[in-house]
Amino acid sequence: DADVTQTPRNRITKTGKRIMLECSQTKGHDRMYWYRQDPGLGLRLIYYSFDVKDINKGEISDGYSVSRQAQAKFSLSLESAIPNQTALYFCATSDSGRGRNQETQYFGPGTRLLVL
Amino acid sequence: AQSVAQPEDQVNVAEGNPLTVKCTYSVSGNPYLFWYVQYPNRGLQFLLKYITGDNLVKGSYGFEAEFNKSQTSFHLKKPSALVSDSALYFCAVRDPYSSASKIIFGSGTRLSIRP
Repeated sequence: DADVTQTPRNRITKTGKRIMLECSQTKGHDRMYWYRQDPGLGLRLIYYSFDVKDINKGEISDGYSVSRQAQAKFSLSLESAIPNQTALYFCATSDSGRGRNQETQYFGPGTRLLVL
Repeated sequence: AQSVAQPEDQVNVAEGNPLTVKCTYSVSGNPYLFWYVQYPNRGLQFLLKYITGDNLVKGSYGFEAEFNKSQTSFHLKKPSALVSDSALYFCAVRDPYSSASKIIFGSGTRLSIRP
């Protein structure tokens, strides 16, 4: 969905390096999410934020941190990257309202991360 | 605790035949259920959802799914498959009565439609 953008799209880094993945949205949604996708494991939630002052851990938050800089921006950081963080990372947004888009998540195109 | 299962890693169907992608769930109350599709090198796209109301839900690209509470299932179906339906499909569930619940995704089913 072009309304949710992620940068970079691809990244190669070395073990121990700090990296940041960024997500921006123009949908005006209040909720934002970070997931990682690994083959055979589906999507697993890393962190989520229901508004600018609300940050919550997901299933697999260890080794990651996030920052909600504004309603439209939600960044994911790997403080010291390790090889098992090699994965495809997705940002998603949703609206807390109860209209026809209730509970629907809209995904960015993903960031493919390789940690050597 | 809530969970969702997609028992088939891969489903192969001939073009023009009906297709079914299976999904079962476990939640303590009435669930919110979703299907998403992922095409190569793309993010997930929403297909359809069940929140409340009619058990048969119709979504994008001619897909539909039926909420079956007794069987705790939400199988995705399409009467006549297209080659362009080939993709990775994810079922997801949320327990709306759990204040801390999030959407949980299944492991995905790869659908392959042969010409």
